[in-house]
Amino acid sequence: NAGVTQTPKFQVLKTGQSMTLQCAQDMNHEYMSWYRQDPGMGLRLIHYSVGAGITDQGEVPNGYNVSRSTTEDFPLRLLSAAPSQTSVYFCASSLLRTGLIYGYTFGSGTRLTVV
Amino acid sequence: GNSVTQMEGPVTLSEEAFLTINCTYTATGYPSLFWYVQYPGEGLQLLLKATKADDKGSNKGFEATYRKETTSFHLEKGSVQVSDSAVYFCALRALTNQAGTALIFGKGTTLSVSS
Repeated sequence: NAGVTQTPKFQVLKTGQSMTLQCAQDMNHEYMSWYRQDPGMGLRLIHYSVGAGITDQGEVPNGYNVSRSTTEDFPLRLLSAAPSQTSVYFCASSLLRTGLIYGYTFGSGTRLTVV
Repeated sequence: GNSVTQMEGPVTLSEEAFLTINCTYTATGYPSLFWYVQYPGEGLQLLLKATKADDKGSNKGFEATYRKETTSFHLEKGSVQVSDSAVYFCALRALTNQAGTALIFGKGTTLSVSS
C-alpha cells in the first residue's frame, strides 16, 4: 500500500550509540519531516525538507542530523544517543504546491528507548 | 508566531454522549486547520480539515467549523462510541511566501469512552 514507511518500529540503544531511523514514501511528496512525540508535549518538529538536497531545522534539532538525497527517503540520524532522546518518532510527508495547503501522511512511528 | 491551544484532557465519556474538544489558534495570514486522531500504538490519521473561514470539515460523525472571528476549530460528535477512544490533535498549517510550512500541533486531548 502507498504511504509512509518507517523502520524500525522499536529500538533500544545505549547512551552514546548512534543509529539511523529510516523513512520512505512512495507518493512523490516533496515535503518530508520528522517529529518526536513525548507525553504532555504533543508533537515537536525536529527537521524537515522541501525537496531533494534541501533540509532545515525545526523546533528541536539538537542531537539529530538529516539528509535528503532522493525524493523518497528522509533518514534521521542520532549521532550519540542520550536518554533525553527516548521518545516516539514520526515521519510525515505531504505535497507542496504554491498557494495550496495539504495535510500530512504519517508513518506508524518508531519507539526509541535510550538506556 | 503560529500556535495551537487545545483543551487539556483526559476527557472521559459514556457511550452515546456528546463530545466537544476545544481548539483555538494563533496565526498570521489564513491557515488551514486540521484534526488528526491517533489510536493506541498507531500513527496519526487525518480526521477532517477546513481551508477557509466558515468551512465545516466532517468525517465519521465528527465535525468542526473554521471560525475566524473566534480563531477556533472545535471538534464535535453527537454520539461517541467506545471505538472513538483515542488521542485527538488539532493542527494548523499556514501559507507563506514559500511553497509551504510545517504543520503545527496542539498537545493533544485523550478521549476515553466507556460502555
